Amino acid sequence: KAGVTQTPRYLIKTRGQQVTLSCSPISGHRSVSWYQQTPGQGLQFLFEYFSETQRNKGNFPGRFSGRQFSNSRSEMNVSTLELGDSALYLCASSPTRERRATNEKLFFGSGTQLSVL
Amino acid sequence: AQSVAQPEDQVNVAEGNPLTVKCTYSVSGNPYLFWYVQYPNRGLQFLLKYITGDNLVKGSYGFEAEFNKSQTSFHLKKPSALVSDSALYFCAVRDMSGGYNKLIFGAGTRLAVHP
Repeated sequence: KAGVTQTPRYLIKTRGQQVTLSCSPISGHRSVSWYQQTPGQGLQFLFEYFSETQRNKGNFPGRFSGRQFSNSRSEMNVSTLELGDSALYLCASSPTRERRATNEKLFFGSGTQLSVL
Repeated sequence: AQSVAQPEDQVNVAEGNPLTVKCTYSVSGNPYLFWYVQYPNRGLQFLLKYITGDNLVKGSYGFEAEFNKSQTSFHLKKPSALVSDSALYFCAVRDMSGGYNKLIFGAGTRLAVHP
């Protein structure tokens, strides 16, 4: 099986612009989560989608949004970029069938490195 | 709120020596704990998990972790370190608040294994 695929691998944007990142989960996986990784803050949870519905959301401003399509592919969008948005954005998928599944592991993509100038 | 702490930013070990990467947790209810590893320019890879049962959990690449309820710790260990083990290690706890689960990660510990 192909792993989690994230595109593009690198992005350079300027302040005020918007950006869209893409994630294709492992075939058959219906849950997609997004994380922001920075050297100072570590990994911060952004949101999780399952069957095209956002099930969970982290503490990020409304400039961060996402969606999931019927084929489970997901996109996240950041509008009005700020310098502090520079980070590695990681997508992870899991097969999660149960609402409160407790022991399923996440499969991560290699991430999109976003630099805001 | 659920949280994990990794008290060491970096751990240095000589190849062949045992290694320990520390993690402590704070949860309400039963803890569901995980270790992930991140190699340069890669995403995170699952190493092992503790849900219930034996306090010593065995995982990938020869790693194991010891769950200690009284000390609220979940330290990652390996008897003999390899240079190829050099990477960034994350401890995580599952957070069930809001009705759906997500992983809360620690800040990460960089492991450097020297020849």
